[in-house]
Amino acid sequence: RKEVEQDPGPFNVPEGATVAFNCTYSNSASQSFFWYRQDCRKEPKLLMSVYSSGNEDGRFTAQLNRASQYISLLIRDSKLSDSATYLCVVNIRSSASKIIFGSGTRLSIRP
Amino acid sequence: DVKVTQSSRYLVKRTGEKVFLECVQDMDHENMFWYRQDPGLGLRLIYFSYDVKMKEKGDIPEGYSVSREKKERFSLILESASTNQTSMYLCASSFGLAGIYEQYFGPGTRLTVT
Repeated sequence: RKEVEQDPGPFNVPEGATVAFNCTYSNSASQSFFWYRQDCRKEPKLLMSVYSSGNEDGRFTAQLNRASQYISLLIRDSKLSDSATYLCVVNIRSSASKIIFGSGTRLSIRP
Repeated sequence: DVKVTQSSRYLVKRTGEKVFLECVQDMDHENMFWYRQDPGLGLRLIYFSYDVKMKEKGDIPEGYSVSREKKERFSLILESASTNQTSMYLCASSFGLAGIYEQYFGPGTRLTVT
């Protein structure tokens, strides 16, 4: 079983739709959680950190469920510019060697 | 704004060549990382450095070495390039305790080994 798993997609949704991704992790000692966004042929960039209480940034909401060991990303009122690959990142025990990236979920927003 | 730069965007090398990939960051970050990204496998950590002259192996260090002589510069060396090292190489940096804070990535180097 992979340490961090994501549905690779692609998710193909119409503009204005709400879309949600989940990311599961296997190590209960995981401490820090992030969502990164990667556009085609570009480098990953931080979208948002994920806090235990959940957090929201505009149209984006991130949640952490420690009991079930997953994090989620919800995008409301999706825009064409949201088309990208979304990477889930989990850090275990604050050690650099245990920063684990998921393979990413590809999202495509259609007009 | 943090800027992470990589020496080349595209590189083509022959099997057996020694390859140097350079990365420079301008924000005085303690931590620097080298990853490779392959389809379906995501980003995998090759090496990490938390200070000048300090390094730690990541998940896939075989066939690679690194050098960090100055805080702003982190080099990845392929001692003898092989075709299975054809990949996208991404450098990143971060401050503070590694893994707690955001990583800033360079634009990547797409290396092809023929």
